[in-house]
This record gives sequence, C-alpha cells and structure tokens, in this order.
Amino acid sequence: EVQLVESGGGLVKPGGSLRLSCAASGFTFSSYSMNWVRQAPGKGLEWVSSISSSSSYIYYADSVKGRFTISRDNAKNSLYLQMNSLRAEDTAVYYCARDVTGDPTFDYWGQGTLVTVSS
Amino acid sequence: QSALTQPASVSGSPGQSITISCTGTSSDVGGYNYVSWYQQHPGKAPKLMIYDVSNRPSGVSNRFSGSKSGNTASLTISGLQAEDEADYYCSSYTSSSTLEVFGGGTKLTVL
Repeated sequence: EVQLVESGGGLVKPGGSLRLSCAASGFTFSSYSMNWVRQAPGKGLEWVSSISSSSSYIYYADSVKGRFTISRDNAKNSLYLQMNSLRAEDTAVYYCARDVTGDPTFDYWGQGTLVTVSS
Repeated sequence: QSALTQPASVSGSPGQSITISCTGTSSDVGGYNYVSWYQQHPGKAPKLMIYDVSNRPSGVSNRFSGSKSGNTASLTISGLQAEDEADYYCSSYTSSSTLEVFGGGTKLTVL
C-alpha cells in the first residue's frame, strides 16, 4: 500500500524557517518524481515544487522561488521542503504528492502538515 | 487569481449529470493533453479522478469523464450521488516558468 506521511509543520514567525519531510513507503520511491502542493485555509490548491526521480530536474512556483528548496533522499525514501523567509501568505496545509505520469499527475497524496506563519 | 478558471459552484439533483469547466490558455490547457481533475472532501487530501484529459485511474467510477475543447477542459459527472458532493479542482501542465497550475476549485452541491 502506497503511503506518504508528512511531518515538520508548526507555528513559525514571519522571516523564520521550517523543514518539512515526507516519508514514503509501499512503492519504489526512487522511480517517481515527487511534488509539494499547498492549500491555504479555506482556499484552493497551489502547486509549490517538483523534483524528478534522480533530483536532476527541479521546479518551483514563482511564489516560493528563491525561498524554498526541495530535495530528496532516495536511500531514505524521503522528500523534503526547506522553507526560508516565511511569510504570512505561506500559511497552509502542505501535501506531498507522487507524480505517476511525469505530466505531472498526482496519484497519491499524504494527509498534509499544517504550517502557520504568524507573530 | 488562479491560472485556470473554474466556476465557483455547481449543483445538481441525484441522478442528474453536471459539467464543470476549466478554462486556461494555449500555454497550458489548450497546448497539452495533460489536464487532471481532483476531488476533495472537507478535511481530506485530494483524490485523482481524471488524468491526461480523459483517463480514469483504476477504481474511479465510470460516472466520471473528462474532455477538452480548445483552451477549456471539462469534467462531467453522470448519475449524481450524494457522495459526489465535494470540491473539484482541475490542473494542467504549463509551459510557463512554473510546471503545473491549478484551477480555483468548484464546489459541487448535490441537492
């Protein structure tokens, strides 16, 4: 059974940093591109970042470019999102999602981890 | 403002059919057959319902179908059921500086 479990969310002050993790199991993690997608409270989905299976290709939304860094450790079946210079508008539930086709298409999602940026 | 435009809400009675539209540009929806649709119930993670415009993942009911014409993609749900009440999001690959864009979401109410 495919499982994605996010962790690392919490309350952080504006300008602060946080590192999210996503532990994957039930599939060959090293064969899939992975993504972060976020959802602000009461709002819609927003794609944040993507990393290819071997970390060769990395993409970011304009809203986080230069502040967030996506990475992965295939030996540990883990995906990460380092978030720096956090702003109030980064407050959201952050989901990790597996890309099944490379289009990308997100076929499995974690349960999400809440990040709250507030003083 | 979302990159893809969806109606804020649609509604239908049990047994009826509804269609949700998703309008983009030639840089996303119109330029590629990489449109997906996701269903999200309150407090839950999104679920993939349609990918590559019209393909259904294993386990998704055949009451859900997708199509595209020009810069507009559509999700049709036939034989509406109470459990279909949820938020629906379209997404598309984009040739812009980012990789993927979502629509603003559509709240489906089953009357």
